[in-house]
Amino acid sequence: EVQLVESGGGLAQPGGSLRLSCTASGFSFSNYAMSWVRQAPGKGLEWVSGISGSSSSIYQADAVKGRFTISRDNSKNTLYLQMSSLRVEDTAIYYCAKHYVVVVAARFDYWGQGALVTVSS
Amino acid sequence: QSVLTQPPSASGTPGQRVTISCSGTSSNVGSNAVNWYQQLPGTAPKLLIYSNNQRPSGVPDRFSGSKSGTSASLAISGLQSEDEADYYCAAWDDSLNAWVFGGGTKLTVL
Repeated sequence: EVQLVESGGGLAQPGGSLRLSCTASGFSFSNYAMSWVRQAPGKGLEWVSGISGSSSSIYQADAVKGRFTISRDNSKNTLYLQMSSLRVEDTAIYYCAKHYVVVVAARFDYWGQGALVTVSS
Repeated sequence: QSVLTQPPSASGTPGQRVTISCSGTSSNVGSNAVNWYQQLPGTAPKLLIYSNNQRPSGVPDRFSGSKSGTSASLAISGLQSEDEADYYCAAWDDSLNAWVFGGGTKLTVL
């Protein structure tokens, strides 16, 4: 059974940093691309960043370029999102999502339960 | 403002058929597969339809998808109370090199 468990969410100040983790199980982690998708309170889904299975391809939304960094450690079956220069508008539930195959352009087929990030002074 | 356009709301009575539209451009819906996600209240999104019209194992055949040009649609027949949820379309955008979503449609079962 595929399981994705996010951790590391919490409260951060504007301009601060936070690192999210997503621990995966139930599948061969390195064979699949992974992404982060966020959802602001009461709003829709917004893709944040994606990384291929081997980390050779990384894509980001314009809204987070230069501030967020996605990475993965295939030996630990873990996906990361390093968030810096946080803004109030980054407040959201951050979901970890698995892609169907190794490339980021493939559909998301499983989602974690999400981690809440609140940016406030 | 979402890249893909969906109606913000839709409604129907039990047993009815409802459709939700998703409009995009040649760089996303027009050139790539459309996927639909269902988000029940307080839960994570779940894949409902992939590759325009395919259902994952376990999704009832009451749910169906279609695509024509730069528009796609999700149809739900035999509407049930448990179908009350938010529905999102998504596609890869070749110009942006990014995933784009519709703004979501809140389905109410009257």
